Amino acid sequence: EIVLTQSPGTLSLSPGERAILSCRASQSVRSTYLAWYRQKPGQAPRLLIYGTSSRATGIPDRFSGSGSGTDFTLTISRLEPEDFAVYYCQQYGDSPPTFTFGPGTKVDIK
Amino acid sequence: QLQLRESGPGLVKPSETLSLTCTVSGDSVSSRSSSWAWIRQPPGKGLEWIGGMFYSGSAYYNPSLRSRVTISVDRSKNQFSLKLISVAAADTAVYYCARQDSEFDHWGQGTLVTVSS
Repeated sequence: EIVLTQSPGTLSLSPGERAILSCRASQSVRSTYLAWYRQKPGQAPRLLIYGTSSRATGIPDRFSGSGSGTDFTLTISRLEPEDFAVYYCQQYGDSPPTFTFGPGTKVDIK
Repeated sequence: QLQLRESGPGLVKPSETLSLTCTVSGDSVSSRSSSWAWIRQPPGKGLEWIGGMFYSGSAYYNPSLRSRVTISVDRSKNQFSLKLISVAAADTAVYYCARQDSEFDHWGQGTLVTVSS
């Protein structure tokens, strides 16, 4: 079973600043199978990035994803007020099919 | 526009069965290109994939829950369902249904299920 670790646990930043979030896997993950979500309080998660670097429908270009193997990154170029939330990475393994999420990174206002 | 909505009891007694239904609009649960999943989130904690019904017609489950979970599809109602038997307080969570590929691109709003006597 692949375990995902996210760092930092909490990131305190100001609006307009750049956020860099890390997701590390215990084993290599196919780039096609790494995704990122944003979850605002009281809401369901929303897909931001899939396939490591593809933005989901309606996601602005301030969000970008990168990485390969066991190390993946979500970058938010300029934080907007709605970006102060919790972010989860997620991987899919296909033999047998299974999904795991990282523990999350909270981005809060400094 | 794809929408998913969870429904079911908000309170379940310990040792009983949790049953939830997800009603899908804007897509078909019978589609050969769509799969469907249940995900849960205990209060204040992270996300856990419970299992999914794949477009192949096969269901796959989180190994940690496999012995207690069943996911099924009702094509006539365009719904899919979750049953979790022998629940305990640790099963208290917000339960989400979602459309599943190698990621989850559409989610329901979630429903809180509390396990308590």
